[in-house]
Amino acid sequence: GAVVSQHPSRVICKSGTSVKIECRSLDFQATTMFWYRQFPKQSLMLMATSNEGSKATYEQGVEKDKFLINHASLTLSTLTVTSAHPEDSSFYICSARLGTGGIGYTFGSGTRLTVV
Amino acid sequence: KQEVTQIPAALSVPEGENLVLNCSFTDSAIYNLQWFRQDPGKGLTSLLLIQSSQREQTSGRLNASLDKSSGRSTLYIAASQPGDSATYLCAANDYKLSFGAGTTVTVRA
Repeated sequence: GAVVSQHPSRVICKSGTSVKIECRSLDFQATTMFWYRQFPKQSLMLMATSNEGSKATYEQGVEKDKFLINHASLTLSTLTVTSAHPEDSSFYICSARLGTGGIGYTFGSGTRLTVV
Repeated sequence: KQEVTQIPAALSVPEGENLVLNCSFTDSAIYNLQWFRQDPGKGLTSLLLIQSSQREQTSGRLNASLDKSSGRSTLYIAASQPGDSATYLCAANDYKLSFGAGTTVTVRA
């Protein structure tokens, strides 16, 4: 089946530094990928939608300059958390839409970011 | 804006009991509804996807129903096992996934 590989699975960084999270579609081309954030015991909140070769679309309240998304190829999307602060500590998950319309989605395994 | 609600928030049952997890959504104009499993600290594993034109989907011990007109879906897990312990999320797809907060299931051996 369609697999999305996300890494790193865990990262600890110092406050003020930047962290990059990668999401790769292994056996299919993902023209559209999604980035979610999840706080403990809460649901996934969509942060942004990235389309290959164009600018990402951010959800209301998500800082574009803090969460930089790049989707330079059909198999790779990256999320960079810039100038990270402790409040950015969270679980980040990427997802890819399978085909168009109502086909479904597949998810990466998530990245636990801890900013100290 | 699509709002998805899952009830109950948590459920604890002895092994062997059947599980019933409920999901409701506010906007019935969806392509499909997808059920996922999430283990602690892990990503999401897709369990079942029900297209808007379907009433139910089955996979092994799992059965999911969809009543689009009333905005409801139910996930049934038959003969629960300790390995079924996880958080179950439903997501309504209207070209963007909107998730419920999940039901955390504990199956006691």
